[in-house]
Amino acid sequence: GEDVEQSLFLSVREGDSSVINCTYTDSSSTYLYWYKQEPGAGLQLLTYIFSNMDMKQDQRLTVLLNKKDKHLSLRIADTQTGDSAIYFCAESPRSSNTGKLIFGQGTTLQVKP
Amino acid sequence: DTEVTQTPKHLVMGMTNKKSLKCEQHMGHRAMYWYKQKAKKPPELMFVYSYEKLSINESVPSRFSPECPNSSLLNLHLHALQPEDSALYLCASSQRLAGGPGGETQYFGPGTRLLVL
Repeated sequence: GEDVEQSLFLSVREGDSSVINCTYTDSSSTYLYWYKQEPGAGLQLLTYIFSNMDMKQDQRLTVLLNKKDKHLSLRIADTQTGDSAIYFCAESPRSSNTGKLIFGQGTTLQVKP
Repeated sequence: DTEVTQTPKHLVMGMTNKKSLKCEQHMGHRAMYWYKQKAKKPPELMFVYSYEKLSINESVPSRFSPECPNSSLLNLHLHALQPEDSALYLCASSQRLAGGPGGETQYFGPGTRLLVL
């Protein structure tokens, strides 16, 4: 079946690195996504990784993909208070071919000054 | 430009009212989506349109009626809603439903926060 799991909460100090983890079940997924949602706002696409890649880096963000373990992580370097938000991992299963995204429950990142 | 706009930003309606939510994108995307999101939960897919045709209806009650008048616009008509329908309604768009590098990547609007009294 299709399922995406994330831990619900992460607290870090400003300036530290944050690592948000996600596991997924559908090995047919072509793309895996990270979205950020600030309070009262919509979802902001942070980054995505194609399933044949192991790593993608974009400024302070590093995405690691372990296909064997179906594990995805998002590392935020030098975490700032403005990074406080809910982070959703999502997969796009090729098996459905419907455009349907499967979201995790979201990880609330709290950044302490 | 990866902007999806939604109006209104906030909406309060009674259970007997009829209202509409509007979503617009000018990125040339041919797939558009409606999601419902409750507080601290992930978005739940409601409807998918592909090339202005309804592709998916996730068993949404008929009091929600989607409409895609053209490739840039997506509406959600609301009638006789219940208090449990209060939520953030998100619109998203992608180049297409699936296939190709990043073509299925969905870009979300800011949402309409709906309160049903």
